[in-house]
Amino acid sequence: QVQLVESGGGVVQPGRSLRLSCAASGFTFTHYAMHWVRQAPGKGLEWVAVISYDGNTKYYADSVKGQFTISRDNSKTTLFLQMDSLRPEDTAVYYCARASLGAKVAYFDYWGQGTLVTVSS
Amino acid sequence: QSVLTQPPSVSAAPGQKVTISCSGSSSNIGDNFVSWYQQLPGTAPKLLIYDNAKGPSGIPDRFSGSKSGTSATLGITGLQTGDEADYYCGTWDNSLSAWVFGGGTKLTVL
Repeated sequence: QVQLVESGGGVVQPGRSLRLSCAASGFTFTHYAMHWVRQAPGKGLEWVAVISYDGNTKYYADSVKGQFTISRDNSKTTLFLQMDSLRPEDTAVYYCARASLGAKVAYFDYWGQGTLVTVSS
Repeated sequence: QSVLTQPPSVSAAPGQKVTISCSGSSSNIGDNFVSWYQQLPGTAPKLLIYDNAKGPSGIPDRFSGSKSGTSATLGITGLQTGDEADYYCGTWDNSLSAWVFGGGTKLTVL
């Protein structure tokens, strides 16, 4: 069965860095693009970034461009999100999600349980 | 402000039907397929509908989706108290080169 397990969240001071991981299992990791999606407390879903199946193509939300870096290690079936210069507004639950390709556009068919990142002094 | 516009809340009685709208533009819904997600309280989102109107295996056919022009709609029939959740639409935006979500709609089953 498909499993996505995020880790690496916690409390961090503003301006510091944090790296999130998402361990994938139960499917052929190298066949799928992967996304990060976040949700601030009491707010809606906000897409963060996507990485192609081979790691060669990446896109970011404007709100994190130049601050966050998405990457993957296909040999370890793990997705990463490097978050630098963190700000209080980055406080959120961060989900990784698998992207399956539909008729034209991908959709998120599996989600992890999320990991909470709190940016506070 | 979200790129896709959803009503903040909808409500209906058990057994009734409800629809949730999702309005976008030519660069997102108008040119791409829409998916819908259900988020029960305290849990991760779950895929409900993809490619505008297809339901993954395991999703009851009480849930349906449609698209017309730059808008999409999620329909839920035979409402149950267990359907109380937040619902989100989403698609790719060609102009932004980014995935976009609606702001979410909270469904209350009275």
